[in-house]
Amino acid sequence: QTVVTQEPSLTVSPGGTVTLTCASSTGAVTTYYYPNWFQQKPGQAPRALIYSTSNKHSWTPARFSGSLLGGKAALTLSGVQPEDEAEYYCLLYYGGAQLFGGGTKLTVL
Amino acid sequence: EVQLLESGGGLVQPGGSLSLSCAASGFVFSNYAMHWVRQAPGKGLEWVSTISSGGSTYYADSLKGRFTISRDISKDTLYLEINSLRAEDTAVYFCAKNRVAATLPLSYDYWGQGTLVTVSS
Repeated sequence: QTVVTQEPSLTVSPGGTVTLTCASSTGAVTTYYYPNWFQQKPGQAPRALIYSTSNKHSWTPARFSGSLLGGKAALTLSGVQPEDEAEYYCLLYYGGAQLFGGGTKLTVL
Repeated sequence: EVQLLESGGGLVQPGGSLSLSCAASGFVFSNYAMHWVRQAPGKGLEWVSTISSGGSTYYADSLKGRFTISRDISKDTLYLEINSLRAEDTAVYFCAKNRVAATLPLSYDYWGQGTLVTVSS
């Protein structure tokens, strides 16, 4: 059974930089997994941030960026703001099927 | 303005059936792939199903056979029919839009607010 793994939790200081990763149990994540990243705050629907590894939506703040790093998909937040405290999910494509990671709870402290 | 409004959730007994709807507006519904994603209380997101603009359908392996995704272009509405409901199907069900017509490149953009399905006797 394929599993997508994210860090369960990360803490970052305001103004700092943090990288969240997304690994696949099948091996290295490539662009053909079309990594998507989402932000979800308590009681709200998820909000799309990144698609196809590194593409931003029109509403995605410039401080968010997506990439591939060491065989994983990565979401980097540079100049973290207090409002970035949230749960972050990645989504990978597996030839018709899709799998979400378990989510990373990002604390800004 | 793109809007997705889910409805049809509620309390259902185990073994029952339910049909969820997602009314779309603000875009040409027939031109985009659409997704259903669910979230059990206090848990993470789980992909349920996707339908392309051409009608091709995809399901999570664990849910195949009980879930059916469909779309009515004349009503700009996406559906999810769920049969043989189990307690573990209790979740908020979200619909989401893809940026393009096909499922690839996978590119979720807009999400609805979700509808809660509770399976309990």
